[in-house]
Amino acid sequence: DQQVKQNSPSLSVQEGRISILNCDYTNSMFDYFLWYKKYPAEGPTFLISISSIKDKNEDGRFTVFLNKSAKHLSLHIVPSQPGDSAVYFCAASGGNAGGTSYGKLTFGQGTILTVHP
Amino acid sequence: NAGVTQTPKFRVLKTGQSMTLLCAQDMNHEYMYWYRQDPGMGLRLIHYSVGEGTTAKGEVPDGYNVSRLKKQNFLLGLESAAPSQTSVYFCASSYVGRERSYEQYFGPGTRLTVT
Repeated sequence: DQQVKQNSPSLSVQEGRISILNCDYTNSMFDYFLWYKKYPAEGPTFLISISSIKDKNEDGRFTVFLNKSAKHLSLHIVPSQPGDSAVYFCAASGGNAGGTSYGKLTFGQGTILTVHP
Repeated sequence: NAGVTQTPKFRVLKTGQSMTLLCAQDMNHEYMYWYRQDPGMGLRLIHYSVGEGTTAKGEVPDGYNVSRLKKQNFLLGLESAAPSQTSVYFCASSYVGRERSYEQYFGPGTRLTVT
């Protein structure tokens, strides 16, 4: 049972355009969401996060939108750059009714983003 | 600061052999985690620890054991390796900040092949 899903295995975008990566979740107890970026042969690195009490968080070229009613979040990258080419993972935390999650994360499958010059 | 380091980077094992993966962090984080990454599966939590001397099971704990004897180290053991344990293993650490960021810091990974 995949509680966090990224249904697009890959996305190809032209440099300078917008990249939109999507993520859906099923567990309504999740209360914090994060995006990680991963280059080949490296560990994931934290990119941006959003609490369930917000619907938008922005950090430079990166914006995350959360739609709780649809259980959907998206990451927007504007403008996209070739250096953004990587695998992007969506992750969610919480999900334990009445207890702490100890920071445990549930990850999606990842989306490979390729930004063409 | 080295952040999170993992040893070794690569390893090939024969079925039935045992090995230990070492994770070390120098950020004084309380929480540490072991994940495995398989194609099309994302990262899945194997075991985690919320402090020195404590460990707990994650999503896919079978076939693995862990120990956290020192706060900075988290060891992942495979007692009898199986081909299904061929994967890339990531260690991570985190603190729970004032805003509950849950941001985890990852090591570079260990690529394990079991033949």
